Amino acid sequence: AQSVTQLGSHVSVSEGALVLLRCNYSSSVPPYLFWYVQYPNQGLQLLLKYTTGATLVKGINGFEAEFKKSETSFHLTKPSAHMSDAAEYFCAVSQNTGNQFYFGTGTSLTVIP
Amino acid sequence: KAGVTQTPRYLIKTRGQQVTLSCSPISGHRSVSWYQQTPGQGLQFLFEYFSETQRNKGNFPGRFSGRQFSNSRSEMNVSTLELGDSALYLCASSRKYQETQYFGPGTRLLVL
Repeated sequence: AQSVTQLGSHVSVSEGALVLLRCNYSSSVPPYLFWYVQYPNQGLQLLLKYTTGATLVKGINGFEAEFKKSETSFHLTKPSAHMSDAAEYFCAVSQNTGNQFYFGTGTSLTVIP
Repeated sequence: KAGVTQTPRYLIKTRGQQVTLSCSPISGHRSVSWYQQTPGQGLQFLFEYFSETQRNKGNFPGRFSGRQFSNSRSEMNVSTLELGDSALYLCASSRKYQETQYFGPGTRLLVL
């Protein structure tokens, strides 16, 4: 069975500071990994994904994530936070044997001016 | 290309009623998945349809059902509504199996 753990349900950073949102997964087979962002009263928007190949993945809005198999992690980072980054972020995993996504509980990011 | 659309966006029902939600996937996408999002449980998978066949089902009671039409549009139905069914219901589509899912804006259901 798949599971995703997002450490820290709430993260606050100052504008211009580094953003680090943590995601760990459990999977018995190589997973596909995703980060989505959700703004208030909206659906989920894909930030980036890892399927195979390069373990450092770049996404939209300056975000990137690194797949570390040995640590079963897929942490999301952004060098410099912007006020518009304030949102809910979800890490998700799917197995290459199925189409079902398993989501973490989400991390709410607050950016302090 | 138009995104995933869901109708209605907001819905208020009373306990015991039933409700039908609709999802139109991105053109060319044949897989449609449904998720329930609540503050307490987060995002939970309901079911997935591909080419009119349900391929996966989450751990929800039989009151939750769905279907997919030949044009890939999907509907989900909840019968005998309970207060705990109040949630944001999200639909996601993907072109084919194991590809990125793109989400619609959701239908917010309030059960009174």
